[in-house]
Amino acid sequence: DQQVKQNSPSLSVQEGRISILNCDYTNSMFDYFLWYKKYPAEGPTFLISISSIKDKNEDGRFTVFLNKSAKHLSLHIVPSQPGDSAVYFCAAADYGGSQGNLIFGKGTKLSVKP
Amino acid sequence: KAGVTQTPRYLIKTRGQQVTLSCSPISGHRSVSWYQQTPGQGLQFLFEYFSETQRNKGNFPGRFSGRQFSNSRSEMNVSTLELGDSALYLCASSSRASTGELFFGEGSRLTVL
Repeated sequence: DQQVKQNSPSLSVQEGRISILNCDYTNSMFDYFLWYKKYPAEGPTFLISISSIKDKNEDGRFTVFLNKSAKHLSLHIVPSQPGDSAVYFCAAADYGGSQGNLIFGKGTKLSVKP
Repeated sequence: KAGVTQTPRYLIKTRGQQVTLSCSPISGHRSVSWYQQTPGQGLQFLFEYFSETQRNKGNFPGRFSGRQFSNSRSEMNVSTLELGDSALYLCASSSRASTGELFFGEGSRLTVL
């Protein structure tokens, strides 16, 4: 049973426009959410995170929105740049409980076209 | 500050063999987690070690095992390799003082023939 779902395997966006990557989760005990970016032949790198007590977190061009009632979070990248082309993974954790490990989605491949 | 180092980066094995992968975490990090990445399944959690103790374990068969040493370095072992074990194995470390951020190595690419 997949607890973290990224239903779009790929997304193509024009340079300068907004990229919106979506993620749904099923476990209401998750209290921390993260986004990672992965380039080919490299390990994932941390991008941005949000605690379940917040509904928005911004870091430069990246903003994560959390809708707990819908069990949905999204990553907005504005403006999108060709260097943002990578696979983006959504991850969640239940740090208040016993499951302290991160549960990842299957990823969304973002392509930003010049 | 050196990042997470994984060795070997690439290896090829045949079915039935065993393999040992090594991970050196960021200096000062005491938690090491292992993940398996395959094209169809994304990143799947294998296990986490903290101070030489396994804290969490994912849903993998007993052929997958790991350990952590007193210097926080970790190894994972896969015995009786199967074709489906071909994957990128990623190690990540954490200080546990952070709010959940894992620092990943570049991974060990295992191919089972």
